[in-house]
Amino acid sequence: GAVVSQHPSWVICKSGTSVKIECRSLDFQATTMFWYRQFPKQSLMLMATSNEGSKATYEQGVEKDKFLINHASLTLSTLTVTSAHPEDSSFYICSASLQLNTEAFFGQGTRLTVV
Amino acid sequence: QQQVKQSPQSLIVQKGGISIINCAYENTAFDYFPWYQQFPGKGPALLIAIRPDVSEKKEGRFTISFNKSAKQFSLHIMDSQPGDSATYFCAASKGSARQLTFGSGTQLTVLP
Repeated sequence: GAVVSQHPSWVICKSGTSVKIECRSLDFQATTMFWYRQFPKQSLMLMATSNEGSKATYEQGVEKDKFLINHASLTLSTLTVTSAHPEDSSFYICSASLQLNTEAFFGQGTRLTVV
Repeated sequence: QQQVKQSPQSLIVQKGGISIINCAYENTAFDYFPWYQQFPGKGPALLIAIRPDVSEKKEGRFTISFNKSAKQFSLHIMDSQPGDSATYFCAASKGSARQLTFGSGTQLTVLP
């Protein structure tokens, strides 16, 4: 199957700083990628839809100025958590599909801990 | 609004037994229903998926049963193995993009 890779796998940052998470489609181009957040022992919640060459679409309740998404190329989307706080600590996961109407492949996730 | 409801929250099965996880959805526009397996600290991996034009799909030990009129679908894991111990999520999406709405998850434990 297609490979979606996230970097870093885990990151610890100080409160008030910003951290960038990368999501790459390694062997295919993805015009659309999705970002999810998962708190411990909970489900995945969609945060935003990342569209190549245009602005991301955010789900209700997700602060677009706090979670900056950039999809500058067909193989890379980035999520930047700005002015991170401990409550932003979570598991962030991206997904992408080879093409429309095909399965979504997920990255391995990024564990963010804000101290 | 929880659009996809999943049960049970946790499930313990003996090795060789059948594991059954159920989901119900509300949005009739959903037209793609996948099941994902997730191990701790990893991203979810697709197990099997179904569209509403079929009532059952089987892949190896995994079977999806789909009841469109009841808006329910379930995952059956036959001959459950300790290696199947993981969290399972049902999901649903509409349209061609795979923007998924997930169920709450089921933590499966298969005893040796």
